[in-house]
Amino acid sequence: ETGVTQSPTHLIKTRGQQVTLRCSSQSGHNTVSWYQQALGQGPQFIFQYYREEENGRGNFPPRFSGLQFPNYSSELNVNALELDDSALYLCASSTGRGRPQHFGDGTRLSIL
Amino acid sequence: DQQVKQNSPSLSVQEGRISILNCDYTNSMFDYFLWYKKYPAEGPTFLISISSIKDKNEDGRFTVFLNKSAKHLSLHIVPSQPGDSAVYFCAAYEGGGADGLTFGKGTHLIIQP
Repeated sequence: ETGVTQSPTHLIKTRGQQVTLRCSSQSGHNTVSWYQQALGQGPQFIFQYYREEENGRGNFPPRFSGLQFPNYSSELNVNALELDDSALYLCASSTGRGRPQHFGDGTRLSIL
Repeated sequence: DQQVKQNSPSLSVQEGRISILNCDYTNSMFDYFLWYKKYPAEGPTFLISISSIKDKNEDGRFTVFLNKSAKHLSLHIVPSQPGDSAVYFCAAYEGGGADGLTFGKGTHLIIQP
């Protein structure tokens, strides 16, 4: 059974740029969620995708957007990057609501 | 405003003893609770969960207790082992809400030999 995989592992961008992060869900999982984890904090929910549609969203601005593909993989896009966007971005997949979410190892994004 | 609170940033326990990690929540709409463990440079790993209709769930060395009236849950690890040294996160789902998890800030558990 293949777990959740994320790419790239690390990324450095400058303010104002755009970034795309990628996630492959665990085999058999149809729901993907994205989280932002700042240093010393717990992960913060960004949004969730189910059957290629956004299924719920946390308190993040519209410049955070996403996609889910027919194979259940997903992308997180962030436009107009700000210094505060520097964080670990985690992807998690599950078999549906109320089920445990299984996380990838994250993408460390640094904004200069 | 933190809806899930882990008030102990760190906890040191001797190997072989019981580790008790605590978590408080304020949102009465939370109906499913989970504990995750995180090693450095890895993503959180699911440990154990509990539904709000139960007050205890056990899985091997791990037991989670839920006290709904106090809005409190705890994770017990018995006996504690060196590999248990990690950051532990408490998380919750809100019934009928967005399907993301709400996490606490974590407790760093250190198992002393």
